[in-house]
Amino acid sequence: NAGVTQTPKFQVLKTGQSMTLQCAQDMNHNSMYWYRQDPGMGLRLIYYSASEGTTDKGEVPNGYNVSRLNKREFSLRLESAAPSQTSVYFCASLVTGDRLAYGYTFGSGTRLTVV
Amino acid sequence: AQSVTQLGSHVSVSEGALVLLRCNYSSSVPPYLFWYVQYPNQGLQLLLKYTSAATLVKGINGFEAEFKKSETSFHLTKPSAHMSDAAEYFCAVISSGSARQLTFGSGTQLTVLP
Repeated sequence: NAGVTQTPKFQVLKTGQSMTLQCAQDMNHNSMYWYRQDPGMGLRLIYYSASEGTTDKGEVPNGYNVSRLNKREFSLRLESAAPSQTSVYFCASLVTGDRLAYGYTFGSGTRLTVV
Repeated sequence: AQSVTQLGSHVSVSEGALVLLRCNYSSSVPPYLFWYVQYPNQGLQLLLKYTSAATLVKGINGFEAEFKKSETSFHLTKPSAHMSDAAEYFCAVISSGSARQLTFGSGTQLTVLP
């Protein structure tokens, strides 16, 4: 039972390069999320997918795109990386419908540096 | 929109002393509230959650939190700090609606002094 798996764990990009962060969950969760974590700012929501086939912007979507490939997978793409996108990125999933079981499952994170 | 505010970005306590990390929420509807812990270079681990079943919530590692509607607070406590408690702690609230977005506070770094 792997939970939420993120790849890669570490990445260094040059300004202007593109890359895709991968996320997969094996818990049959409907909702998936991408957050970025920066010092002193907590985690901020980039994009989310409430269900397969839908995606919506979060608090800080500029410079990113997402794809909900199927129920398991939710990828985050940086088309032209900028130093301001240096951050730690977390993917998460959530089971919905059961109020007593509410709680996100987080991946272990991707540490991205843009130089 | 729902939000949480964590008072104190850094808290230091001596080993064996009481740990108190403060969190206040803003919500127009009954909230679902969470505390997460993050150890250095690791992901987030759920400590405890409030989902309206009981106002005093017990979590892992001896932590607990009390939901106080009159004070709009959900402070995290532990009677006796241990060196292994040194980490960053995040309070979070889940939004209403189908998307169930989790909104985080800015975090509190806990240092435990020997």
